[in-house]
This record gives sequence, structure tokens and C-alpha cells, in this order.
Amino acid sequence: SYVLTQPPSVSVAPGRTAKITCGGSDIGSKSVHWYQQKPGQAPVLVLFYDSDRPSGIPERFSGSNSGNAATLTISRVEAGDEADYYCQVWDSSSDRPWVFGGGTKVTVL
Amino acid sequence: EVQLVESGGGLIQPGGSLRLSCAASGVTVSTNYMIWVRQAPGKGLEGVSVISNVGRTYYADSVKGRFTISRDNSKNTLYLQMNSLRVEDTAIYYCARVFGGSNDHGFDYWGQGTLVTVSS
Repeated sequence: SYVLTQPPSVSVAPGRTAKITCGGSDIGSKSVHWYQQKPGQAPVLVLFYDSDRPSGIPERFSGSNSGNAATLTISRVEAGDEADYYCQVWDSSSDRPWVFGGGTKVTVL
Repeated sequence: EVQLVESGGGLIQPGGSLRLSCAASGVTVSTNYMIWVRQAPGKGLEGVSVISNVGRTYYADSVKGRFTISRDNSKNTLYLQMNSLRVEDTAIYYCARVFGGSNDHGFDYWGQGTLVTVSS
């Protein structure tokens, strides 16, 4: 089955840029979606189709996807961006087509 | 406005059964793919089951044969019947709407979750 690999944690100072990677075999050929989850809350979709932002998501959130890695970039990081971030793809060739990465805890220093 | 409201969680002994509900408004359950996702304490997101718009169902290996996903179109409600519950099924269970095409689905609307605790 398809596997997505994320770093467990990323630390970043306020105002700087955070990059969260999501590795997978030829992930560049797939559409990647990203979710933000703050403590005690449900996940929220922050990027879809690699780099599109839902309504209400700041432009500071951007994404890219090529080769074997997709990246979520958070520019001008704010304290409120501290959360867990999950990448996700759909593998239609599988009987269990949903695939989540293990999640990355973003800590704002 | 889309709202998904889960209910039915609680404390249950190992081997017991629970039925979770996800009442939808602003979105029609019968014409969308829907998913149940769970999150064990301190752990990541785990897909549990999906039902397609035409009723095809998918299950994680860990719940296959024990859990059943279904929907009631008249009530616009998604269900997850959970039987033979195990301690390792303890988690917050979220329902979510699935968007996208056949090869690039994601999950755009999520409920607030309902906690299932399996313990003796």
C-alpha cells in the first residue's frame, strides 16, 4: 500500500518560514491535500490539489508537489499556526484508498 | 453552510457494540462520498471506512468484518455500526465529506468528532 512520510516535528521562529515535507513514491503524479489540526479541534483542510487554498485560508499557506515530495510552506509564521499538519492522497488502486501521512507537529518558538 | 454533527460515542466494554451517527446539513449524504476517520489519543489520523455515492464501501483492515458503514438518505445521516469493539478502537471518530474526482479525493468538511472509549 502507498505510504506517505512526514517529519515528526518542525520548529520555526515567528515571522520566519516553515516547510513541511510529505514524501511518497512518485507523489508528484498524485494530488496532495493538507490538513491543519489544532489541539482539541477537528482537522481543517488548508490546501487541496497540491496548492489551492480553500476560502478563508491565508495566502501565507502555499504548496508544491514534484517528484517524490510534496511541500506545505507557511510564510511569515504566526503563533496561531502552531498545530499538527497532515498530508493525504487518494490511491484509487487500493481497497483502502485513503492515505494519510503520519503528521508533523509545527512548534512556533 | 455545511454542518456535520457526530453522536453516539461513549464508554463501552470490550466486545460491545456502538452505532455512531453523523447528521449532515448543507450537504447531501446520498450523493457524496463520505468517510469516517479516527484518531487514537496522541496519535495521527486513520481512515476507517468510506461509502461512495453509489453505495460502494471500503474498510481499513483493522475494522473489516467488525464495522459497517451505512447511510439513511431520508435522514441525511451517515452511520458507523461498530461491533466486537477492542481497546485499540478507542479514539475520536470524525465524519467528513469527500470531494474531488475518482483519483484525487480529499476531505473538505469535518464534524467535531465523537469520543469512543473501549475499556473494562
